[in-house]
Amino acid sequence: KAGVTQTPRYLIKTRGQQVTLSCSPISGHRSVSWYQQTPGQGLQFLFEYFSETQRNKGNFPGRFSGRQFSNSRSEMNVSTLELGDSALYLCASSLDRVGGNTIYFGEGSWLTVV
Amino acid sequence: AQSVTQLDSQVPVFEEAPVELRCNYSSSVSVYLFWYVQYPNQGLQLLLKYLSGSTLVKGINGFEAEFNKSQTSFHLRKPSVHISDTAEYFCAVSRYNNNDMRFGAGTRLTVKP
Repeated sequence: KAGVTQTPRYLIKTRGQQVTLSCSPISGHRSVSWYQQTPGQGLQFLFEYFSETQRNKGNFPGRFSGRQFSNSRSEMNVSTLELGDSALYLCASSLDRVGGNTIYFGEGSWLTVV
Repeated sequence: AQSVTQLDSQVPVFEEAPVELRCNYSSSVSVYLFWYVQYPNQGLQLLLKYLSGSTLVKGINGFEAEFNKSQTSFHLRKPSVHISDTAEYFCAVSRYNNNDMRFGAGTRLTVKP
């Protein structure tokens, strides 16, 4: 059974540009969450999608957005990139939204903003 | 809202020694508790989780954790560590009705020969 797949794994963008990251959850999983990981702030929850609807949102500016498609695949977008957006972006999936479900993480997308 | 505090940012230990990584949580409602491990350049992998029932939870790779409600703690232990256990360990908490998981700052476990 394939795990959570994130693409691209590594990318470099320039300040002011935008970026789109993609996530394919484990087959059958309907909940997809996104996290940002930085050395200074640690792991921070960005948002969660379930059945193509955003169910939860962390404390990030509106430049961070996402969506989920009918096949549960998800994308997140960051517009007007800032240097501080350089981070590892992790996608995670779980069967549904019931708390206590095991959440499975992808290997992440490393974003460097220069 | 729930939150997690990992009391040690770094824990150095010699191979075959026991180790305890400490985690305290804060929440006004019942929560679920997790420990994840992150190896270099990889995502997070679940070690174990506490949902209910027995307060001693056994996980993969010989790790176990004990839920202590009165002390709001969920410390992770291993009786004998290996070099391969060197990694970042994260304690996390989520509420019963959603997947908004809050992570601690992480504990860097370094196992020395």
